[in-house]
Amino acid sequence: AQSVTQLGSHVSVSEGALVLLRCNYSSSVPPYLFWYVQYPNQGLQLLLKYTSAATLVKGINGFEAEFKKSETSFHLTKPSAHMSDAAEYFCAVSDNFNKFYFGSGTKLNVKP
Amino acid sequence: NAGVTQTPKFQVLKTGQSMTLQCAQDMNHEYMSWYRQDPGMGLRLIHYSVGAGITDQGEVPNGYNVSRSTTEDFPLRLLSAAPSQTSVYFCASSAGGGGINTGELFFGEGSRLTVL
Repeated sequence: AQSVTQLGSHVSVSEGALVLLRCNYSSSVPPYLFWYVQYPNQGLQLLLKYTSAATLVKGINGFEAEFKKSETSFHLTKPSAHMSDAAEYFCAVSDNFNKFYFGSGTKLNVKP
Repeated sequence: NAGVTQTPKFQVLKTGQSMTLQCAQDMNHEYMSWYRQDPGMGLRLIHYSVGAGITDQGEVPNGYNVSRSTTEDFPLRLLSAAPSQTSVYFCASSAGGGGINTGELFFGEGSRLTVL
């Protein structure tokens, strides 16, 4: 089975600072990779996905992620944090769009 | 645009009681799934379905049953609730991957279940 590791259960940044949320997966074959965001008391929404096209993937709200096969990583970044980015972020992997495996999540706090 | 609708949003059960969490989607998605979300553990797949009449187990299926009689509905049944099933449950649907489909999961708003 796949596994996903998100380093850092809580990340705090100042407004305007770089956001970096880390995600590593375990797979000998590059899977499909996703980042989802969850706002309080809501379901998850797709931020971006990687499906073996360009290794740098751009998503909504200024987020992007880079797939690095050699590092088995798919870290999420945003150049300048906004207060509205405060939420919990989940990395997910899937081999075949049937079974999705989620990381434990990273809560992003944005300080004014 | 209803998307994925889950009911109820909140439920309190006593140990040993049974209940069904309802999930319906209006996007004609073939794929539907149930997850549970627990603090510090992310989302874990309980059961999933790739079409009407087809279901399969996920990572944590014990204590839960599902059926898929129509494309739209995918109920999750707890036959004898236990405190360990206290969690937030999410239903999700997808058109799958390939072609114009992105593999994106569309989530309901969640059902918070407490088992005493």
